[in-house]
Amino acid sequence: ETGVTQSPTHLIKTRGQQVTLRCSSQSGHNTVSWYQQALGQGPQFIFQYYREEENGRGNFPPRFSGLQFPNYSSELNVNALELDDSALYLCASSFFLGTDYGYTFGSGTRLTVV
Amino acid sequence: ELKVEQNPLFLSMQEGKNYTIYCNYSTTSDRLYWYRQDPGKSLESLFVLLSNGAVKQEGRLMASLDTKARLSTLHITAAVHDLSATYFCAVNTLSKLTFGTGTRLQVTL
Repeated sequence: ETGVTQSPTHLIKTRGQQVTLRCSSQSGHNTVSWYQQALGQGPQFIFQYYREEENGRGNFPPRFSGLQFPNYSSELNVNALELDDSALYLCASSFFLGTDYGYTFGSGTRLTVV
Repeated sequence: ELKVEQNPLFLSMQEGKNYTIYCNYSTTSDRLYWYRQDPGKSLESLFVLLSNGAVKQEGRLMASLDTKARLSTLHITAAVHDLSATYFCAVNTLSKLTFGTGTRLQVTL
């Protein structure tokens, strides 16, 4: 079975720009969650998608948005980038809501905003 | 708001010694996960604990869950250098994971 893949691995953007991060979920998983991990901190929940609908959102502004596609892959879009958006962005896939089987994390996208 | 606290935040251990990392959380949940993270890397799933009294072991690591006390422990037996990493516990509520602060483990010779 394939794992969770994220692209790109690294990205440098300028403040005010927009960015799109991509995630392919693990085979058999239908739920995708996105997390932001700032340096030296634990991951923070951004939002989750199930069956192409947003199914829960953390304390992030609307300029963080997402999509899930019929093949369960997902995108995270961030508009009007700020310096504080610099972080490791992790995608996690799971079967249904992930409760009994856990979440599989991708290798992450390191975003630097300058 | 759910709070998840780990202690210690930093742990320097000698090889061969035993130690325990504690994870306390503030609201009812019967789903708790432990992850390992190496520097600059993603999260590796270690344990999924699904019920009160659950105990799981893998190699030198053993995790347990007490939902009544809202406490999980990760016990390290006879530490080896390869275990050096940051360990996170995470509590699942309403479709999201809330992570602890992390425990940075450094195993020295």
